[in-house]
Amino acid sequence: DAGITQSPRHKVTETGTPVTLRCHQTENHRYMYWYRQDPGHGLRLIHYSYGVKDTDKGEVSDGYSVSRSKTEDFLLTLESATSSQTSVYFCAISESSTTDTQYFGPGTRLTVL
Amino acid sequence: QKEVEQNSGPLSVPEGAIASLNCTYSDRGSQSFFWYRQYSGKSPELIMFIYSNGDKEDGRFTAQLNKASQYVSLLIRDSQPSDSATYLCAAHSGGGADGLTFGKGTHLIIQP
Repeated sequence: DAGITQSPRHKVTETGTPVTLRCHQTENHRYMYWYRQDPGHGLRLIHYSYGVKDTDKGEVSDGYSVSRSKTEDFLLTLESATSSQTSVYFCAISESSTTDTQYFGPGTRLTVL
Repeated sequence: QKEVEQNSGPLSVPEGAIASLNCTYSDRGSQSFFWYRQYSGKSPELIMFIYSNGDKEDGRFTAQLNKASQYVSLLIRDSQPSDSATYLCAAHSGGGADGLTFGKGTHLIIQP
C-alpha cells in the first residue's frame, strides 16, 4: 500500500456534532483528495488539494470543509454532522495531476445517528 | 455533467475463463482512464490505467480504450476466485487537479 493512513477508522457520532477526519501520507505527493462512497452512488469527490493551503470543492462539498497546513496532512471536517453524511470516506493521493494515478487510503466508516 | 456508466452485475464467470468488464463515459474531454478493484470492506486498489486508444496488457489484465466510441473495457484472462470483487472504472479529464469520475462498479463473481 502507498503510505496513506486515515484516522479514525471507525466513528459513531450524533447529529449536530462536529467531526474531523484525518488523512496522513508519507509519499510527499502534492495532490490529495477526499471521496465518499455510498451504495448506489459509487465514489464521489468531496474536496481536493493541489498544495499546502490550496484546496477546492468537488461534486458533493456541501456540509464539508477541508484544510491542509502541511504536505502530509489533509483534514476533512463535518461542521455539524447529519445522518445523510453517514458513509465510508476515502482519502486518495497522487503525485501528478497530469497522470492522476490516485492511490487510496484504507477508509473511515462514519455513522451519524 | 461528467458520467461514467458500468453494468452493476453481478457478472458471473467460470474459473479459468475470460471476464470482460465494460465502461462508457460521457465527457469527450476525458484523457485518462483507470480500473480499480475493490474487495468488500476494503479500499480501491489500482489495477491499470490507459491513456491511448488500443490495448494495454499487464499480466492477466488487458485494458482497452476506444475514444471514438467513449468506451473502456477490462479483460481478465484465466479468471481466479480471488478475482471476485467489484471493479471500478474511472475517468479524468486531464490538465487539472480535480478528482476522478467513477462509475458505480461491476460486481464480478468467479465460480470455482
